[in-house]
Amino acid sequence: EPEVTQTPSHQVTQMGQEVILRCVPISNHLYFYWYRQILGQKVEFLVSFYNNEISEKSEIFDDQFSVERPDGSNFTLKIRSTKLEDSAMYFCASSPIPSGYTFGSGTRLTVV
Amino acid sequence: AQSVTQLDSQVPVFEEAPVELRCNYSSSVSVYLFWYVQYPNQGLQLLLKYLSGSTLVKSINGFEAEFNKSQTSFHLRKPSVHISDTAEYFCAVSDSIYNTDKLIFGTGTRLQVFP
Repeated sequence: EPEVTQTPSHQVTQMGQEVILRCVPISNHLYFYWYRQILGQKVEFLVSFYNNEISEKSEIFDDQFSVERPDGSNFTLKIRSTKLEDSAMYFCASSPIPSGYTFGSGTRLTVV
Repeated sequence: AQSVTQLDSQVPVFEEAPVELRCNYSSSVSVYLFWYVQYPNQGLQLLLKYLSGSTLVKSINGFEAEFNKSQTSFHLRKPSVHISDTAEYFCAVSDSIYNTDKLIFGTGTRLQVFP
């Protein structure tokens, strides 16, 4: 069964550093998403991406965050200057149609 | 704004007993509803979903959920649980008429199955 692949599985970074989380969506999917889950809390929507542009973003997705599909296969989330409160599990998802999500296994980001 | 309530943060149950995990959402004209399962140190796996049609939806591993529009609920049930069902279960909703497909998640219910 096709999978959404996320790398790395765990990343530790120092506060103030830039970090890029990588995702390889399922190849024929058109809709891409990032969600995050702070430890012990609920999963929260960050951003959706379709047709090479952001289609929707949450209040969490401020100027520190950006997304890109640099080469037609990868889908990346960049955090420009990480803060302690950015520590969370970040999930990528892709979908062939709206609401037909497949989630990746996540990247645990720890900011120290 | 849409919201999802999972009243039970933890549900302990013995193996082979029935279980119900409750989910309520704030009212909306039309919604899509989902249950996701998260096993320890793993990602989110879709368990089942309601988009339209029959209000009773079933998963391949014995779970089922019923969409109840009047009670704005989508409770998850299983008649006989296994140890392997121990996991975190998340209910999620998507508004289907506001040109958005983002998912709003509940806070999750940890199902702990004891032998």
